[in-house]
Amino acid sequence: LAKTTQPISMDSYEGQEVNITCSHNNIATNDYITWYQQFPSQGPRFIIQGYKTKVTNEVASLFIPADRKSSTLSLPRVSLSDTAVYYCLVGDRQRGGKLIFGQGTELSVKP
Amino acid sequence: DADVTQTPRNRITKTGKRIMLECSQTKGHDRMYWYRQDPGLGLQLIYYSFDVKDINKGEISDGYSVSRQAQAKFSLSLESAIPNQTALYFCATSDLGREQFFGPGTRLTVL
Repeated sequence: LAKTTQPISMDSYEGQEVNITCSHNNIATNDYITWYQQFPSQGPRFIIQGYKTKVTNEVASLFIPADRKSSTLSLPRVSLSDTAVYYCLVGDRQRGGKLIFGQGTELSVKP
Repeated sequence: DADVTQTPRNRITKTGKRIMLECSQTKGHDRMYWYRQDPGLGLQLIYYSFDVKDINKGEISDGYSVSRQAQAKFSLSLESAIPNQTALYFCATSDLGREQFFGPGTRLTVL
């Protein structure tokens, strides 16, 4: 019973900015929002994590509104190698704060 | 991530056989997890452990059992494997429930 909702798939072109939004209405007060990237047959890899407002690192930005019921992962100037599945990961009050993966967004970057 | 290792990497077995998948980590983390991933789908949590004496069921624990032999070792067992347990299995570790570090995965086929 995943408590996050993401688009199933997205298409983009090289050099564009990609924004992937995740809905998480039941996020717990002390929980963080974390995004992962997964390539085929590999384990997921951490991209970015945040609690509120905006977080930026060398690969992405994460925007979180004040109510924290959603978050947006922003990938600037994507390349072909960014083609992967992106997962939004948050805590869930009903599961005692245990982390639950969403269904993931399959991003396809075209030349 | 080389800090999290899984053995075996691939395994083919027959229905009814007992199988053990092993996970070891050198990150010093207290929390360890076992996930299952079916083709084209997201990750489902099987079991998780927040320390050596703490074992918790995840979303899909039926047909599986685990053992936390030490802080660094967390094993997943299929007591009597069945074909619908054919999947990619990932072990992960984390510190205080934040960023999870995943192993390379074990591809299990049950004939």
